[in-house]
Amino acid sequence: EDQVTQSPEALRLQEGESSSLNCSYTVSGLRGLFWYRQDPGKGPEFLFTLYSAGEEKEKERLKATLTKKESFLHITAPKPEDSATYLCAVRGEDDKIIFGKGTRLHILP
Amino acid sequence: GAVVSQHPSWVICKSGTSVKIECRSLDFQATTMFWYRQFPKQSLMLMATSNEGSKATYEQGVEKDKFLINHASLTLSTLTVTSAHPEDSSFYICSASTGSDTQYFGPGTRLTVL
Repeated sequence: EDQVTQSPEALRLQEGESSSLNCSYTVSGLRGLFWYRQDPGKGPEFLFTLYSAGEEKEKERLKATLTKKESFLHITAPKPEDSATYLCAVRGEDDKIIFGKGTRLHILP
Repeated sequence: GAVVSQHPSWVICKSGTSVKIECRSLDFQATTMFWYRQFPKQSLMLMATSNEGSKATYEQGVEKDKFLINHASLTLSTLTVTSAHPEDSSFYICSASTGSDTQYFGPGTRLTVL
């Protein structure tokens, strides 16, 4: 069964303290791994799509990487405005997209 | 670009009534639209996928007669929750895709059924 597990569930960092969020997945025939940011009471905002192991993408303080089993979202020198829930999702060969429960990130000023 | 709107942003209704939620892609044509529901601190759960002009494909466990989806044009899809009950209270989110892998999400609709 296809599955997406994100860890940690919640993470509190000081402003400027870099860290990584993990997304472990089990899927038949990965056709894409997606990262989204979701603010409270709002819909997810698209960040990245990764397709193959070894691929990396960057946007401002965020960098997403992908292996055959997991993806990391690295956040470098975060700011309070980076506080949000970060969602990971995968699309398998059946074209279904499965979301993880997310990591709630809180950056303290 | 790639803006998706939802209306209303929140709605409160009495048990037994029906509620319609609209999802619009504002600056692109969406060949496919998706409807999700999300409970507090839970992941998004896909309810159904709809392609313009076709019947929606519902996920297992989602009652198609209760959650009516209409995708009448390339920029508009509607979700109607019929005979709503308190257990239907949730955050409903739509997303739209041009056919690429990327989905663009709307801001969500908070439904509260009294």
